[in-house]
Amino acid sequence: GAGVSQSPSNKVTEKGKDVELRCDPISGHTALYWYRQSLGQGLEFLIYFQGNSAPDKSGLPSDRFSAERTGGSVSTLTIQRTQQEDSAVYLCASSLVAGAGVAETQYFGPGTRLLVL
Amino acid sequence: KNEVEQSPQNLTAQEGEFITINCSYSVGISALHWLQQHPGGGIVSLFMLSSGKKKHGRLIATINIQEKHSSLHITASHPRDSAVYICAVGGSQGNLIFGKGTKLSVKP
Repeated sequence: GAGVSQSPSNKVTEKGKDVELRCDPISGHTALYWYRQSLGQGLEFLIYFQGNSAPDKSGLPSDRFSAERTGGSVSTLTIQRTQQEDSAVYLCASSLVAGAGVAETQYFGPGTRLLVL
Repeated sequence: KNEVEQSPQNLTAQEGEFITINCSYSVGISALHWLQQHPGGGIVSLFMLSSGKKKHGRLIATINIQEKHSSLHITASHPRDSAVYICAVGGSQGNLIFGKGTKLSVKP
């Protein structure tokens, strides 16, 4: 079946502009995660959605970052007033379920490579 | 101190060699994951384990919960195994906390 898809695959923007990144999780997966991988850095957690519960935003680096998930499926990560340090690969992952103490395999999308000039 | 530590950071091997990558963690976990990231960036989940040992083809993953340590082994390594291998542990809400990765290069 179809895996996790993300769009766009690449995005170049100017400093100060807003960008929207999209993630389509695997159908039926209730948990959706956004991660970021900066050049030369490891992966870091940004935000997590589980079903219709309020998202865990604890990993968002600043209030310029926000995300929503409509209808429990597609998610959009928005970065306002982009800065050069926002340049990174933004990865989305989904899993069947999630929660404290729950272990599930996460399936990753191909990522969106964002470059802020 | 990072919550998830991997070693080595870089590893070069000759085709056919037995490879071991180590991961230590300092937080309580629901499970430990081994991921593979190829050049081009795609990430694939190799293993998820919370105890004992798992095997898939030439890959073996072990975990010692008491020692908070896991190892990923590759037997009869091949150039196509060249990738970044990432250890990750399940966080408090199911999100993953990642190690910095081990870059493996297998030479023919």
